[in-house]
Amino acid sequence: KAGVTQTPRYLIKTRGQQVTLSCSPISGHRSVSWYQQTPGQGLQFLFEYFSETQRNKGNFPGRFSGRQFSNSRSEMNVSTLELGDSALYLCASSLGASGATGELFFGEGSRLTVL
Amino acid sequence: DAKTTQPTSMDCAEGRAANLPCNHSTISGNEYVYWYRQIHSQGPQYIIHGLKNNETNEMASLIITEDRKSSTLILPHATLRDTAVYYCIVPGGGSYGGSQGNLIFGKGTKLSVKP
Repeated sequence: KAGVTQTPRYLIKTRGQQVTLSCSPISGHRSVSWYQQTPGQGLQFLFEYFSETQRNKGNFPGRFSGRQFSNSRSEMNVSTLELGDSALYLCASSLGASGATGELFFGEGSRLTVL
Repeated sequence: DAKTTQPTSMDCAEGRAANLPCNHSTISGNEYVYWYRQIHSQGPQYIIHGLKNNETNEMASLIITEDRKSSTLILPHATLRDTAVYYCIVPGGGSYGGSQGNLIFGKGTKLSVKP
């Protein structure tokens, strides 16, 4: 079955702009998590959605937001972009049942460059 | 902060077993240990997870000490394609008590498999 699909794969924005990234999870997966990866900070958890509800949130400013649709697809948005937002943004999906011990399946990521 | 500590880097000869250690001395009794790896510029890939007993799958074996304070990931016959950063993870908490989508990635171990 198809894996996790993230679009766009690469994008360039300028400071002050906003960006929307999309993630399509594996069919049947109801949980979507987002991560930011930078050389300095490594992989950091942004937020997790399950059944259209934010289930958990990492320590990021309010400029970072997300949502999940009824078909489990998810989007994340970053407003008022800063140079430090340049990163690889990774989406991961899982079955998502509370207390489950299953693995996360990651997409290839969206690489954002802010100029 | 990550609940695990791993060596920064390791080398392994192609065809030999790679043994990657991980310390998780503060792990709770019901917390699993997960291993992921990230090959350069790709999304992380799930390898294996375990609670108490040793686990084996087609990719690797996971050996967990009896006191559960440490574990070792074993790649039985390392190949050049196993060169990657390997992450040992004990899932973070969160409002759903160990939501599987909230993984705290540390620095990991950079494994270099050499010919």
